[in-house]
Amino acid sequence: QVQLVESGGGVVQPGTSLRLSCAASGFTFSRYAIHWVRQAPGKGLEWVALISHDGSNEYYPDSVKGRFTISRDNSKNTLYLQVNSLRVEDTAVYFCARDVRGIDSGSPDYWGQGTLVTVSS
Amino acid sequence: DIQMTQSPSSLSASVGDRVTITCRASQDIRNDLGWYQQKPGKAPKRLIYAAFNLQSGVPSRFSGSGSGTEFTLAISSLQPEDFATYYCLQHNTYPWTFGQGTKVEIK
Repeated sequence: QVQLVESGGGVVQPGTSLRLSCAASGFTFSRYAIHWVRQAPGKGLEWVALISHDGSNEYYPDSVKGRFTISRDNSKNTLYLQVNSLRVEDTAVYFCARDVRGIDSGSPDYWGQGTLVTVSS
Repeated sequence: DIQMTQSPSSLSASVGDRVTITCRASQDIRNDLGWYQQKPGKAPKRLIYAAFNLQSGVPSRFSGSGSGTEFTLAISSLQPEDFATYYCLQHNTYPWTFGQGTKVEIK
């Protein structure tokens, strides 16, 4: 079955960097674009990045552009999110989610369980 | 950016009630909208895709409607397992944007 498993979160100080990972299984990873979505504690969902199936295209909202970089290694079935210059407001659970617009024209179907990033001094 | 205005932000309802949640987009997003259910500590679960298509395995008491700028999620007869927070997501234009969420609580 489709599985997405995030890792790499933790407690970090403001201004530092972190790399999050999302390990995929149960589907042909290289055929799907993948998203990162985050959720601050007690708050709503925020879309933060998308990478195309082959890594050739990336998309970000202005709130993270220039600080976050999404990438993937299709040989390892793994997605990454490099987060730099972390701010207290980046504290959130970070989810990866599979894009299926090419399948059913719809929004992301499978999501991982998330990894918590806490930015605190 | 496209703003998604979701209402109400919360509601109290009883088992068996019909519940409706609305999302309004600040511009035309065609049918590029999904609805999600999220329970505490869990990942969002897709209920409806492309505005009105029921996700496989989701009970038929859930339905979606609308197009363009106004969309509705309906639960025909609320069940105990439906108490959760619901979000809409537009995927027509980058950056993708979510509604603020609707928390459905037990009356």
